Order: sequence, then C-alpha cells, then structure tokens
Amino acid sequence: GQQVMQIPQYQHVQEGEDFTTYCNSSTTLSNIQWYKQRPGGHPVFLIQLVKSGEVKKQKRLTFQFGEAKKNSSLHITATQTTDVGTYFCPTTGNQFYFGTGTSLTVIP
Amino acid sequence: NAGVTQTPKFRILKIGQSMTLQCTQDMNHNYMYWYRQDPGMGLKLIYYSVGAGITDKGEVPNGYNVSRSTTEDFPLRLELAAPSQTSVYFCAAARDLRAFFGQGTRLTVV
Repeated sequence: GQQVMQIPQYQHVQEGEDFTTYCNSSTTLSNIQWYKQRPGGHPVFLIQLVKSGEVKKQKRLTFQFGEAKKNSSLHITATQTTDVGTYFCPTTGNQFYFGTGTSLTVIP
Repeated sequence: NAGVTQTPKFRILKIGQSMTLQCTQDMNHNYMYWYRQDPGMGLKLIYYSVGAGITDKGEVPNGYNVSRSTTEDFPLRLELAAPSQTSVYFCAAARDLRAFFGQGTRLTVV
C-alpha cells in the first residue's frame, strides 16, 4: 500500500480559530480519503478526493488534493466544540492503514 | 440496513482465556478489516480480507486469527489472551475504497 504521513499528531485550538491537518506521500496517490472519529466513537467517512488539484467543501471543512497528487489537507474554519476528534487520511489499496491521525482538541 | 455489527460491545477476559469477536455486515462488501485502537492512539490493522476464503495479515497479527467463510462474516479469534490485547477492536467493511465501521468491542484482559 501507499504510505501516507499525517501532521500534526496533536493540535489544540481555541474555539473560533482555524485548524489544518496535512497528509503527505512520497509517491503519487490514486486518491485520498478523510475520516473523522469522535471521542468514544468509530471512524466515519467524510470525503474522497480523486482529481489533481481537487477542492471540496463541506460547510466549514475544506478538503484539498495537491496538484501532484502527493499531498492533501483538511482545513476547518472557525472551529467549534463539535469538531473535536481525530482526523485520518488512510492509505488506499487492500490494506487500508489508518495510522495515528491528527487529534484535535477545541478549547471553549 | 444495519451496516456493520460487532458483538459483544464489552468483554472482560482473564489471562489465557480465548474468545471470538464477531463481525457481520449486510452491505455485501468484499473487503473487510479488523483494527485495534489502544487508548489515545491510532488504528492498527490486524487482519484483512478481500473476499470470502481470502485473508491476510496486517500490521499487528500476532496473537490473533481470522476466517472468512462467507461475505457477511469476519470473526476475529483471540487465543491465550494477554494484557497487551486490552484494546478497542473495530471491524470495517469497504467498497470502492469507502470503509464503514462497526461500533467497536471494548476488550479488557485481566
């Protein structure tokens, strides 16, 4: 499977601040997905990006796929306490490795 | 549709005991996965299956076994439970690279 590194591992923000997490690969990705896991919950699919330079929005969440298809980002505008959780960008392929993700804490 | 169902939700095992974590899906997805998640950590892949009769090891397969006799079911067997296997276990089914997770099984080995 394709190896993807995600940064940062942890992020604490004040409510209302923006937040960004990044996924980087040394090889070209066929696609990338993002999942969210709330504390005590299970991972839930958010979105899949396939095209080079693709940008998709879900309310305050903006997802980007790099032009070279080697990196992706998830940006949250004006975080809310409901954004708390861990965000994952798993590798694709048969193995589906999720890794450590980025854990977001939002301070009210 | 129930999606992915895991049973039990909670279990306490004594060291050396064995048990099977059940996972069943009603979405007819070929790909299924077992993960473990230790407190405050990410997901580690234990085993996966690309279809009935086919299974393969993930990152952390030691101490576990799986079988996939049907598309629907993908049980995870723990033999000789150890405290290091205390974790939350998630089963997932996937199609078109989109994974659907069960609610998880919280296992404690004492």
